Amino acid sequence: AQSVTQLGSHVSVSEGALVLLRCNYSSSVPPYLFWYVQYPNQGLQLLLKYTTGATLVKGINGFEAEFKKSETSFHLTKPSAHMSDAAEYFCAVRHSYGGSQGNLIFGKGTKLSVKP
Amino acid sequence: GAVVSQHPSRVICKSGTSVKIECRSLDFQATTMFWYRQFPKQSLMLMATSNEGSKATYEQGVEKDKFLINHASLTLSTLTVTSAHPEDSSFYICSASAGTGRAFFGQGTRLTVV
Repeated sequence: AQSVTQLGSHVSVSEGALVLLRCNYSSSVPPYLFWYVQYPNQGLQLLLKYTTGATLVKGINGFEAEFKKSETSFHLTKPSAHMSDAAEYFCAVRHSYGGSQGNLIFGKGTKLSVKP
Repeated sequence: GAVVSQHPSRVICKSGTSVKIECRSLDFQATTMFWYRQFPKQSLMLMATSNEGSKATYEQGVEKDKFLINHASLTLSTLTVTSAHPEDSSFYICSASAGTGRAFFGQGTRLTVV
């Protein structure tokens, strides 16, 4: 069974510090991987996704994530945190079986706080 | 942690019929619920946002009369796909928020219209 684990339900960093949000997945087939951000009382926004090709994926707002198959990880990073980055972040995995599309499976989310 | 239950997880229906999907928050009061649909190349699309006791706010391009959303209580929101057609076949997922900013996802519903 596929699953997604986000280590740390709450991460706090200082403004300007490195942001690292961890995501590990379990999968028996090559996955598609996603990071979403959700601001309070708003819907999800796609930050970035990995499907095939380059394993380092760049997204919006300066975020990037690297797919590491050997570690079954897809950690999200940003070199310098900004106050506006405070939000909840969700990692998700989806599988493609031939031409059909598997369901999205979400991690439980990590709330990012940014201190001035 | 908070639990959101979405039911059914899978449903197959005939073209022209209606299907109701339920999203329940089991251990908290969900003041806001979000409904999403999964598209092949666009990952997840927000369909609508519903607040308890008020009409849902639909995203642009989502047909209100086709995708009926009801949020009658603080623990239950429903999405009804009316007069379903094969192109409505998709994965629908809800998430619920208690207003603290944190949201919790249901397990999703795979709808197949034949």
